[in-house]
Amino acid sequence: KNQVEQSPQSLIILEGKNCTLQCNYTVSPFSNLRWYKQDTGRGPVSLTIMTFSENTKSNGRYTATLDADTKQSSLHITASQLSDSASYICVVRQANTGNQFYFGTGTSLTVIP
Amino acid sequence: NAGVMQNPRHLVRRRGQEARLRCSPMKGHSHVYWYRQLPEEGLKFMVYLQKENIIDESGMPKERFSAEFPKEGPSILRIQQVVRGDSAAYFCASSPPGTGNYNEQFFGPGTRLTVL
Repeated sequence: KNQVEQSPQSLIILEGKNCTLQCNYTVSPFSNLRWYKQDTGRGPVSLTIMTFSENTKSNGRYTATLDADTKQSSLHITASQLSDSASYICVVRQANTGNQFYFGTGTSLTVIP
Repeated sequence: NAGVMQNPRHLVRRRGQEARLRCSPMKGHSHVYWYRQLPEEGLKFMVYLQKENIIDESGMPKERFSAEFPKEGPSILRIQQVVRGDSAAYFCASSPPGTGNYNEQFFGPGTRLTVL
């Protein structure tokens, strides 16, 4: 069964601290993996996208890693800001099926001053 | 270049009524996706459309739900005879032509449907 699981479900950190969010998937065949940020009441916004051959990709303070062998990805946020408070969603695209995407349930991050 | 637009942003219906949700993709985008997000849950794929064609509707309930993306105008997600369980946020996403690996989806702000 194609699934995407994220951990932790929720996380509270102090402003300025770093954090790492995890994503494990069983989607096969694999095409690419995306991390989205979803602010409350808004649609998801793409942070990074990685294909099979990419191990690391950065977007400002966000760094995503991908281990296609173990089917794991992480999103590292450096020097967190209050505006980072949001839900972070891992999405895996399945290859050879047109455009089938599988979504994780997200990690709810709260950054407190 | 305006982003993906959805309207209405909030929709309230009584049980048994019809709900029509509209999605205008980004300019130049010919692929539209509809997702449903229940409270405290992740987004669930419903349907993928291209202009005048339904490509994949494997996530769409077999009854009461339908979607279209006409040659002209927005994509419409239609829910007939709504029930309380249909209450959710419905998100639309669009992407440009082609199916390359970096073909990104851009999401709209969503329509929050409440069924009384």
